[in-house]
Order: sequence, then structure tokens, then C-alpha cells
Amino acid sequence: GQQVMQIPQYQHVQEGEDFTTYCNSSTTLSNIQWYKQRPGGHPVFLIQLVKSGEVKKQKRLTFQFGEAKKNSSLHITATQTTDVGTYFCAGAAAGGGADGLTFGKGTHLIIQP
Amino acid sequence: GAVVSQHPSRVICKSGTSVKIECRSLDFQATTMFWYRQFPKQSLMLMATSNEGSKATYEQGVEKDKFLINHASLTLSTLTVTSAHPEDSSFYICSALSGGPSTDTQYFGPGTRLTVL
Repeated sequence: GQQVMQIPQYQHVQEGEDFTTYCNSSTTLSNIQWYKQRPGGHPVFLIQLVKSGEVKKQKRLTFQFGEAKKNSSLHITATQTTDVGTYFCAGAAAGGGADGLTFGKGTHLIIQP
Repeated sequence: GAVVSQHPSRVICKSGTSVKIECRSLDFQATTMFWYRQFPKQSLMLMATSNEGSKATYEQGVEKDKFLINHASLTLSTLTVTSAHPEDSSFYICSALSGGPSTDTQYFGPGTRLTVL
């Protein structure tokens, strides 16, 4: 079945440093979604990427979808303590999101002041 | 954004009892809802897809007789963990699908933490 690999599993950064998490799917995706989960909380939708090579920005966050629609990345510029949490990518199979999402294992972002 | 609620948020039960978890889309209709399970510090694992008015589709390895899913209306799906055992203790999260078939966005409920003694 479809597998979504995400690295790194943990990332320690100093506040103000940049952070990137990478996602790679074993199959071509219809779309990829990114979620943030704070400790003790539930996943909160950040963004959805649909088009090949798509790049979207949300303030300090930059999301990219690969040309082959199999990989994606999330980059945070100048991290802040509020960025702490686990970032998950989730891929929708080529048939569309109606088949459910396959989540990566997540990247735990730890920020040292 | 769309709001999805889950009830209860926490439940503690004795081994052998059944627990029902409700998932509601509050401001939109969802023909499709999903149930995920999350172990501590791990990712979400899709358990089943719940479609309004039809039988749920279960992922491989998920026992349909143990995890009963009912999607009786466009705003409500329920997950019943039957004859719960300690290994069923987990964080159960539902999501509801909003949008067209090719650009779906899932909105997650706040989750239900189940502890089986």
C-alpha cells in the first residue's frame, strides 16, 4: 500500500533558526496536506498542495510540492517558540482525498530559546 | 474554517465494556468521515472510512466487528469500540471531508482519549 516517509523525526533548533521537514511518498499523490499538532492537541490543517511543482507561502511557512507529485517540504523561516509542535504531512492517493489520507510519522520541532 | 466536534473528549472504562464515540460536523454536511487512531508520540493511522448511508470501509488489519462504525446522517458518525481491552487504549480522532472529490480537505475533531482499565 501507499507509504509516506517523513524526515527528520526530531529537529532541535535555536529560536530564530530555520527549519525544514521533508515528505516522500511511494506513489504519486493527488494532493498532499500539512498539519500541525501541538502537544496534547489534535492535528490542525495548515495547507493543501494539488499542482505539480506548486509553492505556497503562509507568512514564515513555505510549502512545496514536487514536480512528480511524490514529495513535499515545509520550511519555516526564523522559527519562534509558537512554532513548537509536530508537523505531519499527509498524502491523498491518486484517486483523491475521498480514500483517506496516509500520514507521515511527523517531525517533532523543538525550539530552544 | 469548518468545525468538527467529538464526544466524549476522554473516557475511562473497564475491560469488556463497549464505548461509543461521536463525531459531528457542526457547520457543514459530510458524506464521508474518517476514523484515525493515534498512539502516543506516533502518527495517525487510518482505521476506516465512513460513508453516509452505506457500510464503512475498513483498513487492513482493523477488525470491523470490534470497531463498529455508523454514519446515519450527513453530520454524524459514531465509532463503537466493543468489548474494549487495555490494548485498545488510544487517542481516536475523526475527520470530516469537505469539498469536491479531487481537492478534499479534512477537518479533524479534537479527539477522544480512551483508557481501558
